[in-house]
Amino acid sequence: EDQVTQSPEALRLQEGESSSLNCSYTVSGLRGLFWYRQDPGKGPEFLFTLYSAGEEKEKERLKATLTKKESFLHITAPKPEDSATYLCAVQEETSGSRLTFGEGTQLTVNP
Amino acid sequence: KAGVTQTPRYLIKTRGQQVTLSCSPISGHRSVSWYQQTPGQGLQFLFEYFSETQRNKGNFPGRFSGRQFSNSRSEMNVSTLELGDSALYLCASSWGGANTGELFFGEGSRLTVL
Repeated sequence: EDQVTQSPEALRLQEGESSSLNCSYTVSGLRGLFWYRQDPGKGPEFLFTLYSAGEEKEKERLKATLTKKESFLHITAPKPEDSATYLCAVQEETSGSRLTFGEGTQLTVNP
Repeated sequence: KAGVTQTPRYLIKTRGQQVTLSCSPISGHRSVSWYQQTPGQGLQFLFEYFSETQRNKGNFPGRFSGRQFSNSRSEMNVSTLELGDSALYLCASSWGGANTGELFFGEGSRLTVL
């Protein structure tokens, strides 16, 4: 059974203080790993797709990386508007379109 | 371009009742997936519809069902509601490729079962 574990559960940063979120996964055959952002009262918003170990994607202050067992979401010089819950999800090779999500990391960036 | 629209946004039901939730996908998207989100379990996959056919199904009891219409709009139904069905139900659409994980979510329907 696919498993996704995210850490930490919650993270408080000061504006400008860089950090990383972790996503550890267990899947028999990885088709893709996805990062989403969810704001309170909203549905998740797609950020990145990673397909193979060593791959990296960047968007503004966010960079996602992938190894064979985990993914990291690096946040450089965060701003208060980066506050949200960040969700990691995996798609297994034989599961079709189904995504298995972790429970997320709730990030708060204080000004 | 309009996003994914879910109705109703909030609803309260009592145990034993049934509920129907509606989802209008982004124009041109042919796949609609449903997820249940709760504080303890996170997001869990319910099912996916493509071209009016259920293409994938999660591990939920038969009380949870869905359908898709020819215009790609989708509905999900939960019968004989239980307290544990209280959750945020999220609909997501995509262009329809079988392997796409890039989903566009609606804001959800928050169901409270009393």
